[in-house]
Amino acid sequence: NAGVTQTPKFQVLKTGQSMTLQCAQDMNHNSMYWYRQDPGMGLRLIYYSASEGTTDKGEVPNGYNVSRLNKREFSLRLESAAPSQTSVYFCASSDYREGEQYFGPGTRLTVT
Amino acid sequence: GENVEQHPSTLSVQEGDSAVIKCTYSDSASNYFPWYKQELGKRPQLIIDIRSNVGEKKDQRIAVTLNKTAKHFSLHITETQPEDSAVYFCAANHGNQFYFGTGTSLTVIP
Repeated sequence: NAGVTQTPKFQVLKTGQSMTLQCAQDMNHNSMYWYRQDPGMGLRLIYYSASEGTTDKGEVPNGYNVSRLNKREFSLRLESAAPSQTSVYFCASSDYREGEQYFGPGTRLTVT
Repeated sequence: GENVEQHPSTLSVQEGDSAVIKCTYSDSASNYFPWYKQELGKRPQLIIDIRSNVGEKKDQRIAVTLNKTAKHFSLHITETQPEDSAVYFCAANHGNQFYFGTGTSLTVIP
């Protein structure tokens, strides 16, 4: 099992550019999450998907969109990148609502 | 929403000593409290968790305590080793969302 995978690992964007971060899990988990991690801020939830076909906003959703493509895949899109979106992005999945979250390796995004 | 506060932000201990990290939460409806360890440049990984119907849980050198009345929970690491050096995050689960503390950078000095 690969667990949770993310692509790309690193990305540099210019302000205004768009991109999609990809996440996939092979553990047959129902719930998937997108977080951003900034120094001194911990992990903050951007969006989550409690089950296939549903998505909901988290703590910091502005400037992002998501798609739960199927049970395995959950993508995060930045339509018009801003320097404030420079961060490390982690995808996670869990089998149920109060279960262990398994994190992907992260994507380090820099917006100049 | 939920608000999780974590203290201290940095902690240095001598190898073999104990380390304690404390978190408070604001919403009494939160009912699941995991702790994650994150080594530099790596992903967070669960080390222990506790549910609201339990007051204490132990796994070898690691223990977590929960005081629901006071809305705080703590991580205890005994007999610390250099490989325990990392950033530790507490979290509280409320509904479908997890709220994380801001992290504690633990350094174990050999």
